[in-house]
Amino acid sequence: KAGVTQTPRYLIKTRGQQVTLSCSPISGHRSVSWYQQTPGQGLQFLFEYFSETQRNKGNFPGRFSGRQFSNSRSEMNVSTLELGDSALYLCASSNGAGGYNEQFFGPGTRLTVL
Amino acid sequence: EDQVTQSPEALRLQEGESSSLNCSYTVSGLRGLFWYRQDPGKGPEFLFTLYSAGEEKEKERLKATLTKKESFLHITAPKPEDSATYLCAGVSGGSYIPTFGRGTSLIVHP
Repeated sequence: KAGVTQTPRYLIKTRGQQVTLSCSPISGHRSVSWYQQTPGQGLQFLFEYFSETQRNKGNFPGRFSGRQFSNSRSEMNVSTLELGDSALYLCASSNGAGGYNEQFFGPGTRLTVL
Repeated sequence: EDQVTQSPEALRLQEGESSSLNCSYTVSGLRGLFWYRQDPGKGPEFLFTLYSAGEEKEKERLKATLTKKESFLHITAPKPEDSATYLCAGVSGGSYIPTFGRGTSLIVHP
């Protein structure tokens, strides 16, 4: 069974640009959650999508957005990038409600903002 | 506000030297306490879910326990391949959102 895949794995952007990250969940999983991981803040929840609907949202500004497609693939977008957005962005899929069930994480996208 | 605190931040052990990692939580209406392992350059890997105080789960050299205020991850006779960062997360019944601790970085020396 293929795991969660994320593309791209590494990304370098400059301040003010926008970026789109992609996540393909494990086949059959309908829940996709996104997290930001930094050395200072640890792993922080961004949002969760289930059957194309955003089910939960963490405490991040509106510059962070996401969507989920009918095949459960998900994308997250960050607009007007700031230096502080440099982080590892992780996507996780699960069989049910992401918060209640074990989540399977992808390898992450390392975003560097210059 | 939900909070999860892990201690110690870092732990160095000799191979075979057993120890415990702590995860204390203040999560309203805790619905589940999760343990993950994260290796450098990789995403977290699921280990255990605990749902109620008194529950215990084991997997190889790892054993997770849960009380009303904290969870422990006991590592018995660790091996160098157990070296990793261990994360715990509490899920609130109200928000369904997991709150992660900062993790414990474990290094096991041969």
